[in-house]
Amino acid sequence: DIVMTQSPDSLTVSLGERATINCKSSQSILYSSNNKNYLAWYQQKPGQPPKLLISWASTRESGVPDRFSGSGSGTDFTLTISSLQTEDVAVYYCQQYYTTLHTFGQGTKLEIK
Amino acid sequence: EVQLVESGGGLVQPGGSLRLSCAASGFTFSSYWMTWVRQAPGKGLEWVANINVDGNVNYSVDSVKGRFTISRDNAKNSLDLQMNSLRGEDTAVYYCARHYSNGLLDYWGQGTLVTVSS
Repeated sequence: DIVMTQSPDSLTVSLGERATINCKSSQSILYSSNNKNYLAWYQQKPGQPPKLLISWASTRESGVPDRFSGSGSGTDFTLTISSLQTEDVAVYYCQQYYTTLHTFGQGTKLEIK
Repeated sequence: EVQLVESGGGLVQPGGSLRLSCAASGFTFSSYWMTWVRQAPGKGLEWVANINVDGNVNYSVDSVKGRFTISRDNAKNSLDLQMNSLRGEDTAVYYCARHYSNGLLDYWGQGTLVTVSS
């Protein structure tokens, strides 16, 4: 199974500042035939189910603010929030869907300083 | 509007069984793979199992293989998870989610809590 490892486990950032969350897969999740990375990012606020933010490593879902961006390829990926807002306080998860078993990272808790 | 509503959670003793259901509405259920994801109290997300549109192909994480069975009834727009031989480590909120485009989970239910304890 592919293991997804996020860093850091928790992050405290000031309002308006940049937040960066990293995700590393134990093997490449770049599919060579279509040059797509099978990596998604989810946001989970307290008491709510997760929400899909980004697919294919860098494609924002409809309605997701453009301060959220995803990057990376192969085994190393990053979620960046360019200017942190209060409503961005949440736990963020990466997920690979390259193999038949779609594993999540352990999550990164984002708080405001 | 897409809606997924889980039911069937509750308190069960170790070794017992429980059947979860997920009622789907607002989309053509028979056109989508479906997935179960769980979250232990205070912990992260764990992908549990998924099933194809026809219900004849499914995958599950090793920790539930042989104990949990995922199934669906397209006529009733319903997804099930039969859980047998339950253990304390199965205690979690269980979410059903719609799966599209190779594995993206775009709609989630609110979850149902399963507690395995004596």
